Amino acid sequence: AQSVTQPDIHITVSEGASLELRCNYSYGATPYLFWYVQSPGQGLQLLLKYFSGDTLVQGIKGFEAEFKRSQSSFNLRKPSVHWSDAAEYFCAVGRLGPGNTGKLIFGQGTTLQVKP
Amino acid sequence: NAGVTQTPKFRVLKTGQSMTLLCAQDMNHEYMYWYRQDPGMGLRLIHYSVGEGTTAKGEVPDGYNVSRLKKQNFLLGLESAAPSQTSVYFCASSYSWTGPREQYFGPGTRLTVT
Repeated sequence: AQSVTQPDIHITVSEGASLELRCNYSYGATPYLFWYVQSPGQGLQLLLKYFSGDTLVQGIKGFEAEFKRSQSSFNLRKPSVHWSDAAEYFCAVGRLGPGNTGKLIFGQGTTLQVKP
Repeated sequence: NAGVTQTPKFRVLKTGQSMTLLCAQDMNHEYMYWYRQDPGMGLRLIHYSVGEGTTAKGEVPDGYNVSRLKKQNFLLGLESAAPSQTSVYFCASSYSWTGPREQYFGPGTRLTVT
């Protein structure tokens, strides 16, 4: 069965510091991977996605993520965090195949706090 | 282009009461989903629909019913609300394709059952 693990429930970084949020997935075939961000009281917004091709993908707001098949990981990075990046971040995985319904499996989320 | 909208934004129910949450999308998406979000548990899929007139159970369907009478609308019903259904509910939609597509989310409905 597919699963997504975000090992860090809560992360605090200083403004201007670099950020890496971890995501590990369990899936038998090539996964379709997503990162979403949720600001307080808001819905989820797509940051970036990986379907195939270049394993380093660029997203909105200066975020990027790297797909590493050997490690079953899809970690999210940002070189310099801004106070407005404080939010909850979700990694998600979907599958391709017969009976595809577009369903995604979400990780538990990582809450990012940014210190001034 | 409003994207995905949800009605209402907030609601307080007493145990045993019923209600319907409405989700509407104007992107002509085939697929629609209802999730609930609880602290520390991420998003869990309640029900979903792959087209008008079709619905299917997700991960946590008990206590909920859904209907998709029109392509743009997806309704989530609670027939007899319980405190365990206190949660934030999100609707999402996506294009149909041979593989997963990004889902577009509504702003959420915060439901409290007392």
